[in-house]
Amino acid sequence: QLQLRESGPGLVKPTETLSLTCTVSGQSIGGSSFYWAWIRQSPGKGLEWISDTFFSGTGFYNPSLKNRVSISVDTTKNHFSLNLASVTAADTAVYYCARSSYYETGGFSYYYFDVWGRGTRVLVSS
Amino acid sequence: DIQMTQSPSSLSASVGDRVTITCRASQSVTSYMNWYQQKPGQPPKLIIYPVGNLRSGVPSRFSASGSGTDFTLTISSLQPEDCAIYYCQQSFSTPRTFGPGTRIEVK
Repeated sequence: QLQLRESGPGLVKPTETLSLTCTVSGQSIGGSSFYWAWIRQSPGKGLEWISDTFFSGTGFYNPSLKNRVSISVDTTKNHFSLNLASVTAADTAVYYCARSSYYETGGFSYYYFDVWGRGTRVLVSS
Repeated sequence: DIQMTQSPSSLSASVGDRVTITCRASQSVTSYMNWYQQKPGQPPKLIIYPVGNLRSGVPSRFSASGSGTDFTLTISSLQPEDCAIYYCQQSFSTPRTFGPGTRIEVK
C-alpha cells in the first residue's frame, strides 16, 4: 500500500530555509511514471500547489514561489525534498506531499493528486 | 493563473437531501477538474477525477459534471459521514489551483 510521510522541523525562523522531506513507501519513485507533489494549506491562502517533480528532478513549479523553491529527489532513499528559502510568516502552513497520478483517455492525460501524506505543520516565527 | 471559485462557501442540509456544489474557473479548463473531500485533521482525499470518474471506494451518491468553466459536484442523498469541506481543483494548466472550498454540515 502506497504511503507518503512528511518530515521536517515544525518551527522555522523568518529569512531561513524551510526543508521538508517526503518519504515514500509501497512504491519506488525511481523509474515510475508519476510526478511527486508538494502542496500546502493555510487559513489565508487555502490549498496552494507548490510543485510537481519527476524522479529525474525535472518538473513544474508554482511561479509565485519558483524563485525560492528547490526540489530534490533521492531514489536510493525513495524520498523527495522541498527547500523553501527566505521564509516569512506567510509561509506558515500545513505542508503535504502527494502523488500526482494520471488517467489517460482519448489521447488526453488527466492529472490528479490521489495519495497524500498526513501533512506536517510548519510555523514561521522568531 | 486560473482562479477557482466555489459556491456556496458553506451549507447545511439534512440527511437524505440532494446537495449540489458549484465550481467556476476563470477560464476554460475543458474537462480537467478534480474534486476532493477533506475532514478535520486529515489531508484532502480525491473523490472524483476526470471525466466524472468516481474514485474506487467512493460511494455512488457522489457525482460530478461540467466542462469549460462551470462544474458541479452532487451528493444525491446526503449522509452524516459526508460532513466535510469539498474542493475543486483544475489540472488543465500549471500552476494547479484549488477552489476555496465548500463546507457541508449535516443537520
